[in-house]
Amino acid sequence: KNEVEQSPQNLTAQEGEFITINCSYSVGISALHWLQQHPGGGIVSLFMLSSGKKKHGRLIATINIQEKHSSLHITASHPRDSAVYICAPFNTDKLIFGTGTRLQVFP
Amino acid sequence: EAQVTQNPRYLITVTGKKLTVTCSQNMNHEYMSWYRQDPGLGLRQIYYSMNVEVTDKGDVPEGYKVSRKEKRNFPLILESPSPNQTSLYFCASSFAVRGPQHFGDGTRLSIL
Repeated sequence: KNEVEQSPQNLTAQEGEFITINCSYSVGISALHWLQQHPGGGIVSLFMLSSGKKKHGRLIATINIQEKHSSLHITASHPRDSAVYICAPFNTDKLIFGTGTRLQVFP
Repeated sequence: EAQVTQNPRYLITVTGKKLTVTCSQNMNHEYMSWYRQDPGLGLRQIYYSMNVEVTDKGDVPEGYKVSRKEKRNFPLILESPSPNQTSLYFCASSFAVRGPQHFGDGTRLSIL
């Protein structure tokens, strides 16, 4: 069993829809990162959080350390949000990466 | 502009021909790391460095070498590349081990 599980693996949405991507992990962590990988391959760090909730524009990330679960929400999705979203918990001294959720938003 | 620069972006080469992928960051970050990304496997750490002259193995270090002689540079060396090292490689840096990582644009290596 993978230490980090993301769901869904693939997600298709219409522009304007509310999106939720889930991440569950099995190891103890001190923080969790959400990354965005663009179709061209570049990776951008979206959030680092260790408790509660963070918001940046239309993106919201939440984490429940006790339940070992994090979610990434996108409000009013847009085609430019199309990307792979990667959950990466920080365990001991390194990041452990999920395999990502591929999101496609159509106009 | 704060950035992590990798070179080359693309490389096709043959088995056994030594190659180096360079990585440089201009943010004075102490922590640097190399990852490879393969379909269905996600990102896996190859090597990391906590500071100058301090490097350590990640999850998949076999067949790779690194060095950290200066704070800004962290080259990845494949002494004798093999086809199973065909992959997309990313260098990343952060101010601290668990801090937000800044990624380079990636290097796509094909080893024939």
